[in-house]
Amino acid sequence: ETGVTQSPTHLIKTRGQQVTLRCSSQSGHNTVSWYQQALGQGPQFIFQYYREEENGRGNFPPRFSGLQFPNYSSELNVNALELDDSALYLCASSLAPTTQYFGPGTRLTVL
Amino acid sequence: QKEVEQNSGPLSVPEGAIASLNCTYSDRGSQSFFWYRQYSGKSPELIMSIYSNGDKEDGRFTAQLNKASQYVSLLIRDSQPSDSATYLCAANAGGTSYGKLTFGQGTILTVHP
Repeated sequence: ETGVTQSPTHLIKTRGQQVTLRCSSQSGHNTVSWYQQALGQGPQFIFQYYREEENGRGNFPPRFSGLQFPNYSSELNVNALELDDSALYLCASSLAPTTQYFGPGTRLTVL
Repeated sequence: QKEVEQNSGPLSVPEGAIASLNCTYSDRGSQSFFWYRQYSGKSPELIMSIYSNGDKEDGRFTAQLNKASQYVSLLIRDSQPSDSATYLCAANAGGTSYGKLTFGQGTILTVHP
């Protein structure tokens, strides 16, 4: 167990809807990174938050946005959901942008 | 060209054998490298990290890094059926991309009794 938690575990949405995914980082960790993992692929970096500031972003459109709170927990928001957004969303926690430990993930299905 | 490439496998080895997993990367600025294990339907679990050229051993696992050849490998000795999983190689780039992990597509390992 890494101490990183995510909610919800599973989620089903319809195309065009909005979704918010949540992550609580491991105690003592101040950095949260979000990844999208499509079936059969490796995780793709969405963005990272370090001490409440965005600290790097991958090749994802602006409808993917995030927040980090003072307690270092984080949210990932996705607007105008598309079918291709169906994936496992992973949150990774670390102390500064170093070795990252993953939470259990949220499985998002867009119909 | 993919930034991190792995043989997708599947790689099948008998119980007790050595499993060898390979990974190449294209960004010479990459500074640290990680191997994660992912069981079906679960999230990636960190196995090893390696930062310097050479070998790093942890129990049955040995990671090898050759920055000149841009090559990372993971050896699993005395393979067990419980080692059957997808193994993900990841590189952490330096500079402004520091903190971003770039993953390969994973190698599926099956250890048969």
